[in-house]
Amino acid sequence: KAGVTQTPRYLIKTRGQQVTLSCSPISGHRSVSWYQQTPGQGLQFLFEYFSETQRNKGNFPGRFSGRQFSNSRSEMNVSTLELGDSALYLCASSSGTSSDTQYFGPGTRLTVL
Amino acid sequence: GIQVEQSPPDLILQEGANSTLRCNFSDSVNNLQWFHQNPWGQLINLFYIPSGTKQNGRLSATTVATERYSLLYISSSQTTDSGVYFCAVLNSGGYQKVTFGTGTKLQVIP
Repeated sequence: KAGVTQTPRYLIKTRGQQVTLSCSPISGHRSVSWYQQTPGQGLQFLFEYFSETQRNKGNFPGRFSGRQFSNSRSEMNVSTLELGDSALYLCASSSGTSSDTQYFGPGTRLTVL
Repeated sequence: GIQVEQSPPDLILQEGANSTLRCNFSDSVNNLQWFHQNPWGQLINLFYIPSGTKQNGRLSATTVATERYSLLYISSSQTTDSGVYFCAVLNSGGYQKVTFGTGTKLQVIP
């Protein structure tokens, strides 16, 4: 089975711009979760989608949004970028049950200048 | 929300040495995983271990759910073990809202 893929792998944007990141889960997985990793805050949960519905949300401002398509691929969008949004963004896929293992993609490294 | 603390925060080992990493959590959990993050940022699954003991080669893990802690043992460490180790937990009743620990940064020197 192919693993979780994320595109793009690297991205440089300027303040005020918006960005869209993409995540393709493992075939058959219906849950996609997104995380932000920064040196100061560690790994923080952004949101989780299951069958095209947002099922859980972390404590991030409304500038961070996401969606999931019928093929389980997910996108996350960050609008009005700030310097503090520079981070590694990781997505994880799973079957969606609470007892299931999450598998992570390689991440997208976003730099905001 | 649930708090997850890992210790030690940093660890330097000579190649061949053994180590124990600890993860304490503040509430009951449905799900606990250990990950290794390599220098390129990739999170690699090590164990899914909400309770009990598992072993995989030189690595083993034990979770005592009633006492709210998990341990990761690394034996005969190798330089390729270097990186950051995270435990991640899912609260009982929470759907995939995973909370990560603060991580243990391990450096194995030859």
